[in-house]
Amino acid sequence: DGGITQSPKYLFRKEGQNVTLSCEQNLNHDAMYWYRQDPGQGLRLIYYSQIVNDFQKGDIAEGYSVSREKKESFPLTVTSAQKNPTAFYLCASRGSYLTGNTIYFGEGSWLTVV
Amino acid sequence: AQTVTQSQPEMSVQEAETVTLSCTYDTSESNYYLFWYKQPPSRQMILVIRQEAYKQQNATENRFSVNFQKAAKSFSLKISDSQLGDTAMYFCAFMKSWDQGGKLIFGQGTELSVKP
Repeated sequence: DGGITQSPKYLFRKEGQNVTLSCEQNLNHDAMYWYRQDPGQGLRLIYYSQIVNDFQKGDIAEGYSVSREKKESFPLTVTSAQKNPTAFYLCASRGSYLTGNTIYFGEGSWLTVV
Repeated sequence: AQTVTQSQPEMSVQEAETVTLSCTYDTSESNYYLFWYKQPPSRQMILVIRQEAYKQQNATENRFSVNFQKAAKSFSLKISDSQLGDTAMYFCAFMKSWDQGGKLIFGQGTELSVKP
């Protein structure tokens, strides 16, 4: 099936650790995104990438890092510099102009600091 | 900067009735896209409907339709014949044209409860 796969679904991080959330898509989309969702809030953009080997900061990039070595993959690393990382993280990719530039989302990953 | 406002944090509707969720946005762009996403308790974001700003005709997808008022910068979602499975958080979202990075800007959401 075509879609966006995020893993793990649940992740626990100890203080001072870096953790990486995986995002893979087989939709052949060029653009990929990472969003963060906190309780009672809408989604906020962390990073996005429009093409392989290129990415830009979103609104809340501090404490996060990404890479885009392959079209299919856009992993997000939550570093120890992120002071409040407990949240729900959503990866997304964007279809072409022909599909109305619609953004499709993965099922999300829960990150909790313990 | 673009902003999206959903003024109704919570709404409820009886099964089989119609409900309208409000959304307003602020932008100086003339070409853009608007979306409604549904987030059920599973937390997955599901596209409900989309609207291109250059199209005057309101988008419709089965029981879901929008009332797009470009001059008023309003984009409301109407759900007809509400079903229990429509219970979810609904987000209105704005996106500039594709060559601006395709970033979505979300409202705060409206939590809809459909009651039997």
